Amino acid sequence: DGGITQSPKYLFRKEGQNVTLSCEQNLNHDAMYWYRQDPGQGLRLIYYSQIVNDFQKGDIAEGYSVSREKKESFPLTVTSAQKNPTAFYLCASSITGAEGNQPQHFGDGTRLSIL
Amino acid sequence: GQNIDQPTEMTATEGAIVQINCTYQTSGFNGLFWYQQHAGEAPTFLSYNVLDGLEEKGRFSSFLSRSKGYSYLLLKELQMKDSASYLCAVRDQGGATNKLIFGTGTLLAVQP
Repeated sequence: DGGITQSPKYLFRKEGQNVTLSCEQNLNHDAMYWYRQDPGQGLRLIYYSQIVNDFQKGDIAEGYSVSREKKESFPLTVTSAQKNPTAFYLCASSITGAEGNQPQHFGDGTRLSIL
Repeated sequence: GQNIDQPTEMTATEGAIVQINCTYQTSGFNGLFWYQQHAGEAPTFLSYNVLDGLEEKGRFSSFLSRSKGYSYLLLKELQMKDSASYLCAVRDQGGATNKLIFGTGTLLAVQP
């Protein structure tokens, strides 16, 4: 079945440590997205990519980095510069093009906590 | 600025009907989506509106008024499994970008 896989489901980070969250999709989508979800704040866009080897900052990119070397993969690195990384991280993908009923499809998320 | 408002929480009774409202103020408009999200899980797509009017899909319907910047999600014959957060999201751009702006979500509790 096609879908989006995020791993790990739970992740713990020590102070000053970088961690990388994995996101893989086999939906043949060109566009991929990373969101952060905090209680009471909805989904906020961190980074997005519309094509391989290209990505753009979202609304809260500071302290995060991404790469898009393959169409299927869009890993997110939470760096030590992100001072409040505890959150639920969601990866999504979609076709490119803002026409019609083309929703974003989401993975099951990674919950990151600070030790 | 971009702003999407939804009630934070709602409570309804099993078998009843509930309406979840969403108002938006965005720089552009190119479609509105509703998602359902159970706690700790992925949001799943429910409905899409781009023209004014009502879209019906089984027990779920969604309405849009572009002139008022307003949408609602109507859930009929509520079931306990409908207890979840409901997210309203606006696609504010056209062209090649399929970015969405999300509201904070409405947590619906269905009681027996």
